[in-house]
Amino acid sequence: GENVGLHLPTLSVQEGDNSIINCAYSNSASDYFIWYKQESGKGPQFIIDIRSNMDKRQGQRVTVLLNKTVKHLSLQIAATQPGDSAVYFCAEKIGYSSASKIIFGSGTRLSIRP
Amino acid sequence: SAVISQKPSRDICQRGTSLTIQCQVDSQVTMMFWYRQQPGQSLTLIATANQGSEATYESGFVIDKFPISRPNLTFSTLTVSNMSPEDSSIYLCSVDGVGRGLDEQYFGPGTRLTVT
Repeated sequence: GENVGLHLPTLSVQEGDNSIINCAYSNSASDYFIWYKQESGKGPQFIIDIRSNMDKRQGQRVTVLLNKTVKHLSLQIAATQPGDSAVYFCAEKIGYSSASKIIFGSGTRLSIRP
Repeated sequence: SAVISQKPSRDICQRGTSLTIQCQVDSQVTMMFWYRQQPGQSLTLIATANQGSEATYESGFVIDKFPISRPNLTFSTLTVSNMSPEDSSIYLCSVDGVGRGLDEQYFGPGTRLTVT
């Protein structure tokens, strides 16, 4: 492996259970939030995003919840599979233009128990 | 989505030398971003590169240490100059959304640099 996430907090989940990964963000002016998945030896891969005017968005097996009051973001993965093992990062962005930079939060390593 | 390639994928370099990392995208993009990911850490933005203008650097990063080129809309390079062991990291290129709206940002596979 590439030592990605070696020192990050770890969430251990039984295969088939639901996973909930949490993230606290810092900037109340952020307009847009993204969850990325990073597998060992690879770059981050987009999973799902949510705009600040929403509080919930669902994708395939994933749901993102946004609580702007407490500046909290969560990623829920339904029926966790071995392929979900990775490091997950939340990220935030101010503005929607292509020049708006994405700032990454701390990550969480998701480990799946068979 | 955009297909992004980086060269080299990894390298081991001696301190005091410089390494130039290339990033190639399969479509034209406005903005390209360079990130650093130190071992076991999250991603930190180094700079934003717009074609035809100088790169914009984040706090803590300077052009002399990390010169960037952006000669066209599909290519960029990042040079890590006068390397020290503290520069050992994964360096990632990223581009803004391509043709599918402006929200998504795509990442290359990264270049793993070890400085001895």
